[in-house]
Formats: sequence, structure tokens, C-alpha cells
Amino acid sequence: GAVVSQHPSWVICKSGTSVKIECRSLDFQATTMFWYRQFPKQSLMLMATSNEGSKATYEQGVEKDKFLINHASLTLSTLTVTSAHPEDSSFYICSVRNTGNTEAFFGQGTRLTVV
Amino acid sequence: GENVEQHPSTLSVQEGDSAVIKCTYSDSASNYFPWYKQELGKRPQLIIDIRSNVGEKKDQRIAVTLNKTAKHFSLHITETQPEDSAVYFCAATINQAGTALIFGKGTTLSVSS
Repeated sequence: GAVVSQHPSWVICKSGTSVKIECRSLDFQATTMFWYRQFPKQSLMLMATSNEGSKATYEQGVEKDKFLINHASLTLSTLTVTSAHPEDSSFYICSVRNTGNTEAFFGQGTRLTVV
Repeated sequence: GENVEQHPSTLSVQEGDSAVIKCTYSDSASNYFPWYKQELGKRPQLIIDIRSNVGEKKDQRIAVTLNKTAKHFSLHITETQPEDSAVYFCAATINQAGTALIFGKGTTLSVSS
């Protein structure tokens, strides 16, 4: 299966600052990556679809100016949470789908705490 | 877009009993239905999946059934063990690499010994 690496695993930041989360596809080229957010005891909610070399597609209700996505290469997508607030505290997790059998693989997730 | 409903939200069983979790989906174009197990603070782990060209798939104690006409699919775990305790998510999507999985709300399974 594919290997997806996400960094950092956890981060604590102050309100008003920005945080960047990296998602790397280590063993295959991913033209598309997906970003999810998971609040405690809730499901994985799709935030956006990251497309290599073009703009990301955001789900309804997700502010594209707050959650900046960059997919500059076939192996790296980044999610930047700008001007973070305590309500942005959550578990952020990226995913790619294998182009062969289309199974989905997930990064380790990033626990963001905004204080 | 796709909408996935999952029931029950919590399920408690005795060790050795069977557990069944049910999901329905809305988009008739969906043709790939994976099930994930997630432990606290960890990434989801695929436990079984099914594609719409089959109605049932089994892997040891785990089975999944799919009814395309009714747009629902179910996870069956037999001979449950305490280590099966976790949160289980169903998902639905189109069988293309560029399409995201849409998840159900999850079921917290507790297996007591």
C-alpha cells in the first residue's frame, strides 16, 4: 500500500498565528490529495481536495482564505491554518487514493491546539 | 454530493457475540464502499472494502454486504473480541483516485469480556 507521511504530528500555537501542515506521498505520485478535519468524537469531514498545479477545491462552509492549500509537487501538499483561533483546534488528516485499486491511505494526522 | 448515514452511533456487545453496523448512501454513482477502524488519536485503518460489482465480501471474522438497489451496506463482525473495541467508519465514493471518500458519523463499538 501507499505510504503517506504527515508532519507535524501535533502542534500548539497561539491565537492569531499560522500553522503549516505537510502531507507527503512517499511512494507514488499523487495528483490529488484530500484534507479532512476531525473534531473529538466526530467523523472525518472533508475540507478540500488538493490538486497538483492548480487551485484546491473547497467544501461548502470551509473558508479558502483561512485554510490555504498548496500542492506544488506530485508528492507534497500543505495546509496552512491562518490566523488560528481556539475553535480551529482539531485533528487534521490528509489522504491519497491509489490510482490502481483506488484504496485510500491516510497520513498520521496532526493534532492542532490553539491557545 | 454524497451523504452517508451510519447507525448505530454506539454499540455494546459481549465478547463472542456478533456486531452489525449499517450505512446508507445517497449518490447512486458511488461504487466503492470501504470500512475503517480508528483508534483514539490514530489514522483510520482499512478493515474491508467492497465494490459495487459484488454483493458480499468476507475476510475471516469480518464481512460486508452491499445492496445497491436500496443503497445500503453493512459491516458484520462475528466472534467479537475486546480488541475489536474502537470507532468504525463507513465511507462511500466513486471508484476513482481523484474523488474523496465521504464518511459516515462513526460507530463506537465496545466489546466487554
